Order: sequence, then C-alpha cells, then structure tokens
Amino acid sequence: EAQVTQNPRYLITVTGKKLTVTCSQNMNHEYMSWYRQDPGLGLRQIYYSMNVEVTDKGDVPEGYKVSRKEKRNFPLILESPSPNQTSLYFCASSRTSNEQFFGPGTRLTVL
Amino acid sequence: GESVGLHLPTLSVQEGDNSIINCAYSNSASDYFIWYKQESGKGPQFIIDIRSNMDKRQGQRVTVLLNKTVKHLSLQIAATQPGDSAVYFCAEIPGGSYIPTFGRGTSLIVHP
Repeated sequence: EAQVTQNPRYLITVTGKKLTVTCSQNMNHEYMSWYRQDPGLGLRQIYYSMNVEVTDKGDVPEGYKVSRKEKRNFPLILESPSPNQTSLYFCASSRTSNEQFFGPGTRLTVL
Repeated sequence: GESVGLHLPTLSVQEGDNSIINCAYSNSASDYFIWYKQESGKGPQFIIDIRSNMDKRQGQRVTVLLNKTVKHLSLQIAATQPGDSAVYFCAEIPGGSYIPTFGRGTSLIVHP
C-alpha cells in the first residue's frame, strides 16, 4: 500500500530536549516536505527536499532541521524544542511539489 | 479527532445537496491551485487541482472553478454525502516556487 508514515504519532516532551520525528514514504517520490498546522492558521511549510541531499527552507524553518540521506526518509529534528513548537506536524511526499500525499500527522506538545 | 481550526467558516448542507466552498487567494503570480480534504484525525488528502491557464476542471463529483480576475477559487461538490464532511482548504503555488500557501479552510458538515 502506497503511504507516508510518521513516528511517533503523539509526543509530549520538555523544553530543550532534542527530538526527531521520522517520516518515510514507499512511493519513490523525489519531493518531500514538512508542515505544521496550528488552530486558526493554514498549513505552513517548514522545510522541503527536492531529492537526496537537497533541502531548502519553507516559510517557518526557525528551530527546525531536516536531512535527506535516503530518498524514502525525511526526518524532522528539533534540537532544542520550545513551547511555541507545540503543534500538529505533517510530512508529505510527491513526484513534484504539486499533488502531495500526506502522512497521518504527529501531535507534539512541548512543556 | 484532531482539531485543525477552532473558528473555521462552516458550511452546513443536507445530504444530496450541492456544496460550494470558496477560497480567495492572494498572489497574482500563483499559477497552480489545489483543493485538499482533511477528515478529523487524518492528514490532508488531494482532491483536485487546476492550473492558471484553465478556468474550470472537473473530477468525480467535484468541479473547481478559477477566476483570476478576482483571485477566487471555488470547489463544487455534487450530491454531497455524509462522507464528504471534513475541512476543505485550498493551496496556491506561485510560478517557479516549491512553497505552497494554504488557506485556513472551511468546515463542511453534511446532515443525513
């Protein structure tokens, strides 16, 4: 089954404790991206990647890092999480930047 | 399920009615537009897209209309079903960009 998977689905952590949210797709897509979704706001792109070893900033990259060492994986790294990073995070993949397939989401709470 | 927006515009319709969801976009340089559906507790799901050189595109039970003069996009759902209940939002992508801008969304509630 073609899908985008994210782990963990739910995470509660404390300020400053480094964390990684994994994202994996099995569709051999070149393009992958990370978004955050907050109440009252639309989805906002954090980072995107056009292919292996090619990443670029989206609209809200501050406080986040990504890597793309393999085509299928695109982890999101929060080196020092802060409460304003409490959000619902989505990973997405596609052949181009257009028709994106989204993962199920990761609910992150930073205390 | 997950809450994606506390004060979203809401459209309530009866099962079988046609639904029209509207979206105003901001960037006149946008040349690609997408509609997504997001059910409670799930990630967004692609519905239909349209390029700026078109003004209408049809899919299965859905039609997207684009009016570039007033920067307006609409999604029409024919014979709305309870399974169509979800949050719908549009996205615009400027030419040459890889960063979509998403609208806040509209909550569609379909009453049996």
